[in-house]
Amino acid sequence: GNSVTQMEGPVTLSEEAFLTINCTYTATGYPSLFWYVQYPGEGLQLLLKATKADDKGSNKGFEATYRKETTSFHLEKGSVQVSDSAVYFCALRANQAGTALIFGKGTTLSVSS
Amino acid sequence: KAGVTQTPRYLIKTRGQQVTLSCSPISGHRSVSWYQQTPGQGLQFLFEYFSETQRNKGNFPGRFSGRQFSNSRSEMNVSTLELGDSALYLCASSLSTGAANTEAFFGQGTRLTVV
Repeated sequence: GNSVTQMEGPVTLSEEAFLTINCTYTATGYPSLFWYVQYPGEGLQLLLKATKADDKGSNKGFEATYRKETTSFHLEKGSVQVSDSAVYFCALRANQAGTALIFGKGTTLSVSS
Repeated sequence: KAGVTQTPRYLIKTRGQQVTLSCSPISGHRSVSWYQQTPGQGLQFLFEYFSETQRNKGNFPGRFSGRQFSNSRSEMNVSTLELGDSALYLCASSLSTGAANTEAFFGQGTRLTVV
């Protein structure tokens, strides 16, 4: 079945450091891929998405590229801020009506000043 | 435009009781999905409703049920509560063309604690 694998956390960085959170997936066909972020005590917010191979999603300085050949969708940011501290979830949705989002386990990012 | 509203935000229940959680989707959204979030299992899909019909269901026991009303508001019910049902329950709404790229917008969740 379809699945998402994220790197284990927590990830601890200093402000202005470069961030990479790895995400790989298993799915048939061409799913859509998403990154969601969850701040403490909150629900999930969509950070970015990509819907086909080689698409790059970007938002708030975060980027991720849909790599079909490596089945990956790694999240990157060139310079993190303390306010980026949160839990990040990689997710996919198969290309079929009514299918659910399938999430990775989440990666906790902690940024210190 | 108001976001997804979940009520209540927090609940404490006793084992064996039942509970009902409510979700009001974004205006115009016809699809509502429910997810359970726990530290051990992460985010797990419960079910999805579209136009008052359950369109998809996850791998949860029959104690977990839901419904959707004509105004797209949704409720989920858990009967005979167990300690393991303690979790954050998240509701997500979407326009639901059924396409894979449809964005899901999440509420803040209901934190259920079973004692």
